[in-house]
Amino acid sequence: DGGITQSPKYLFRKEGQNVTLSCEQNLNHDAMYWYRQDPGQGLRLIYYSQIVNDFQKGDIAEGYSVSREKKESFPLTVTSAQKNPTAFYLCASSMGPSWGGSWNEQFFGPGTRLTVL
Amino acid sequence: AQKITQTQPGMFVQEKEAVTLDCTYDTSDPSYGLFWYKQPSSGEMIFLIYQGSYDQQNATEGRYSLNFQKARKSANLVISASQLGDSAMYFCAMREVRRSGSARQLTFGSGTQLTVLP
Repeated sequence: DGGITQSPKYLFRKEGQNVTLSCEQNLNHDAMYWYRQDPGQGLRLIYYSQIVNDFQKGDIAEGYSVSREKKESFPLTVTSAQKNPTAFYLCASSMGPSWGGSWNEQFFGPGTRLTVL
Repeated sequence: AQKITQTQPGMFVQEKEAVTLDCTYDTSDPSYGLFWYKQPSSGEMIFLIYQGSYDQQNATEGRYSLNFQKARKSANLVISASQLGDSAMYFCAMREVRRSGSARQLTFGSGTQLTVLP
């Protein structure tokens, strides 16, 4: 079945450690996104990528890094520079650049809950 | 200024009744799209309905309809015949073409927690 997978579902990290969250999609989508969600709040965009080997900062990129070496994969690294990394992280993907219609929607993965100990 | 405002942190509705979840937005972009997503307690985001700024008619998808009032900049979600499985967090989101260009960046509201009572 086509979809987006994120792993792990739960992740624990000690302060000062970098950690990488996985996101894979088999929908043949060009664009991929990383969002952060804090309790009781909406999603905020961390990074996005419209095409392989290219990515752009979102609204809260500080303390995070990404890579897009393959169309299917968009891993997110939470670095030790991120001061408050405990949150729920959602990865999403969508079709390539164009405009119009409900098929513009972003498809989301099941999320990774990161807790810093 | 908030781009997307959802003023109802929590809502209750009796099973089988209709409920309206409010969403107002702020943009100067003439081309934009509005989305509603459902987030159950498991955390995944489920796309419900989409409304384009140039669409003449209100969007409908099964039990979901969008009450789009462009002049008032509101895009309220109406759920008819509520079911227990509708209990979830609901998010309104917007994509502005001018701001995001060819990317599909979404700006989300803070959400409304809907509880359907038996």
